[in-house]
Amino acid sequence: NAGVTQTPKFQVLKTGQSMTLQCAQDMNHEYMSWYRQDPGMGLRLIHYSVGAGITDQGEVPNGYNVSRSTTEDFPLRLLSAAPSQTSVYFCASTQTGSGYTFGSGTRLTVV
Amino acid sequence: KQEVTQIPAALSVPEGENLVLNCSFTDSAIYNLQWFRQDPGKGLTSLLLIQSSQREQTSGRLNASLDKSSGRSTLYIAASQPGDSATYLCVVNDYKLSFGAGTTVTVRA
Repeated sequence: NAGVTQTPKFQVLKTGQSMTLQCAQDMNHEYMSWYRQDPGMGLRLIHYSVGAGITDQGEVPNGYNVSRSTTEDFPLRLLSAAPSQTSVYFCASTQTGSGYTFGSGTRLTVV
Repeated sequence: KQEVTQIPAALSVPEGENLVLNCSFTDSAIYNLQWFRQDPGKGLTSLLLIQSSQREQTSGRLNASLDKSSGRSTLYIAASQPGDSATYLCVVNDYKLSFGAGTTVTVRA
């Protein structure tokens, strides 16, 4: 099925650990982005990419890194996890003239 | 900065009633507007996409209208069913996404 695939679905980290949230899309979309969703704050943009090799910061980039080596993949790295990064993370993709397609999310808890 | 407001924040109706969900935005220079559905603990499922040049879109029991000049969009759901219970998000795209806080709908059997 065409769409955006996120792994893992759930993750518990200890403070200070690092990890990578995976995102892959099979729709040949140029634009991909990462959001976090927190109660009462809606979805906020972390990082985005307009194509392979091009990334930029969003609204809340601190503590996260991204890279885009292929059109299909856009991983999000947490460098040193903090309790404030406990959230639900969504990856999304789109292309000109289309709407956004979101992944099913990764629920991350940092203890 | 684009501000997106959804009214009401919550809605509870008996099965069979029509639903009317409102979305307003402050900057009319938008690229498109998208309505999503989010079930508890799940991702965002796209319902309807309205391009800036369009006035409405329809899919089955769903109809969404767009009035750019007044900064408004309305999502109509006809003959509601318990399975329509979810949070509905209005998302405005002016080359950056702005999200409404959502309307949480409960359809009582």
